[in-house]
Amino acid sequence: GAGVSQSPSNKVTEKGKDVELRCDPISGHTALYWYRQSLGQGLEFLIYFQGNSAPDKSGLPSDRFSAERTGGSVSTLTIQRTQQEDSAVYLCASSLGPRGETQYFGPGTRLLVL
Amino acid sequence: GESVGLHLPTLSVQEGDNSIINCAYSNSASDYFIWYKQESGKGPQFIIDIRSNMDKRQGQRVTVLLNKTVKHLSLQIAATQPGDSAVYFCAETLPSGTYKYIFGTGTRLKVLA
Repeated sequence: GAGVSQSPSNKVTEKGKDVELRCDPISGHTALYWYRQSLGQGLEFLIYFQGNSAPDKSGLPSDRFSAERTGGSVSTLTIQRTQQEDSAVYLCASSLGPRGETQYFGPGTRLLVL
Repeated sequence: GESVGLHLPTLSVQEGDNSIINCAYSNSASDYFIWYKQESGKGPQFIIDIRSNMDKRQGQRVTVLLNKTVKHLSLQIAATQPGDSAVYFCAETLPSGTYKYIFGTGTRLKVLA
């Protein structure tokens, strides 16, 4: 595609429910990243994929967070048993490769946990 | 720990003036730096990048300067326009072969008419 796309653009959920966020990277980009951005804050790294594997999951805040990538393309970030502190903008980025390549971001999914 | 920070959280400039947004980084081994612009409700948009073997790089109305001696990065925007109003983030990558970007909290640029 022309750019990184994410869905849904907005998600409101109740505390305790599971949510699934989707990222569609730029075609041909092998590296994919998930970040979290809280209101007025910088970007917090969550997880990185190279192809379908995730060599670095160190940024995931807890075991309620998981992510997968299939076919070297689309990725989903799943948050189980959501908590109010999970409310944030979840951003996805992709790059041609992992080594110092420019990361291009999607528009983000705005998650609100009530 | 390693960090990338910004000197000014908010910068207000008059339309038509030049803007300078500053950033300090702490890892002298970082070799790639990027500036992103984030408008309200949107994801960060790539503006310009620079590698550590350069001191200056110019784009369309934007210039990035890298001073490795004092570990300082700046973004200069010429003839600032209302559409430049946004939050600007700098990011660094750790030495070559790694992929992690470290972002600062951002500087908000307000363009005054």
